[in-house]
Amino acid sequence: DQQVKQNSPSLSVQEGRISILNCDYTNSMFDYFLWYKKYPAEGPTFLISISSIKDKNEDGRFTVFLNKSAKHLSLHIVPSQPGDSAVYFCASLTTSGTYKYIFGTGTRLKVLA
Amino acid sequence: KAGVTQTPRYLIKTRGQQVTLSCSPISGHRSVSWYQQTPGQGLQFLFEYFSETQRNKGNFPGRFSGRQFSNSRSEMNVSTLELGDSALYLCASSSTVVSADTQYFGPGTRLTVL
Repeated sequence: DQQVKQNSPSLSVQEGRISILNCDYTNSMFDYFLWYKKYPAEGPTFLISISSIKDKNEDGRFTVFLNKSAKHLSLHIVPSQPGDSAVYFCASLTTSGTYKYIFGTGTRLKVLA
Repeated sequence: KAGVTQTPRYLIKTRGQQVTLSCSPISGHRSVSWYQQTPGQGLQFLFEYFSETQRNKGNFPGRFSGRQFSNSRSEMNVSTLELGDSALYLCASSSTVVSADTQYFGPGTRLTVL
């Protein structure tokens, strides 16, 4: 049972345009969400996070939006750069009870120069 | 600060063998989690250790086990290897357990089972 879903396995975007990566979750108890970026042969690196009490968090070119009623979050990258080409994972966390991250299956972003 | 280190980086084993992977967390981090990454499955949570105690466990068979030492270093063991165990095994460390602290990942160990 995949509680965190990234339905688009891949995405291609032109350099300078906006990249939008989507993530859906099923458990309303999740109260913290994170995005990680992974390059080949490296471990995932933390990108940006958002608490369930917020609906937006911004860090430079990266913005995460959370829609709790739809159980949906998205990562916007503006403007996209070739160095952003990587696999992006969204993850959820419940901070009460079991302290466990649940990751999505990842979306491979390719930014075309 | 040194990052999370994992050894070995690559490993080739045959079916039926067992394997031990090692993870050294960032200095001061007491929580270590292990994940299995396979194509199409994302990162599947194996288990998490904090202060030498397993606090959380994912849905993996008992062939997968782990432990954490007093210096927070952790090992993961897989016994009776199967072809399907071929994957990238990642460990991640974090400093606290109360807040939603960021996990920092190591580069992973690529295990190939022949």
